[in-house]
Amino acid sequence: QKEVEQNSGPLSVPEGAIASLNCTYSDRGSQSFFWYRQYSGKSPELIMFIYSNGDKEDGRFTAQLNKASQYVSLLIRDSQPSDSATYLCAVRGVGFQKLVFGTGTRLLVSP
Amino acid sequence: GAVVSQHPSRVICKSGTSVKIECRSLDFQATTMFWYRQFPKQSLMLMATSNEGSKATYEQGVEKDKFLINHASLTLSTLTVTSAHPEDSSFYICSARETAGDRPYEQYFGPGTRLTVT
Repeated sequence: QKEVEQNSGPLSVPEGAIASLNCTYSDRGSQSFFWYRQYSGKSPELIMFIYSNGDKEDGRFTAQLNKASQYVSLLIRDSQPSDSATYLCAVRGVGFQKLVFGTGTRLLVSP
Repeated sequence: GAVVSQHPSRVICKSGTSVKIECRSLDFQATTMFWYRQFPKQSLMLMATSNEGSKATYEQGVEKDKFLINHASLTLSTLTVTSAHPEDSSFYICSARETAGDRPYEQYFGPGTRLTVT
């Protein structure tokens, strides 16, 4: 079982719709959860992080964390073609442990 | 804030030569830096973790004598690919972890270096 799992996609949504990206993790001791966006040929860009159960909103992005079910999700409201990218979920355990990345979900937003 | 730079952005070298890639945290101090490699259509693969002033910790399967990492200061880490071969051609990305400020322990990525070995 992979430590961090994501559906590779592509996830296709029309412009203006809500895109929902999901991620599950295996280590119950995980403490910090991150979403990165990576455009083709570019390096990852941190867009959201969440530490506590519940929702965290930042502009059009909402991260949701459910530690009991061991999943974290990212909602993108009013999706734009410029949101088309690969979204990487990353998880970190206690303290200074390294980030463990999922393989990413490719999002395609059509005009 | 939290800007990480890498140099060079692209490099082409001949097989058997060595290539050095620099990673700098421009506006914060990073006691820990990470080096990743990414092949096309694959996710990031962590190669090693470097802490300022100490030896790097390499992931299983990564040759430490081939990928030399130096983290001499709180803002600079270097990766040297020695005796490069075509199979070393990849996208190398460094990342620095912020250890102070209002977002401690967040990890930010440099723009990456695309290495092509001919």
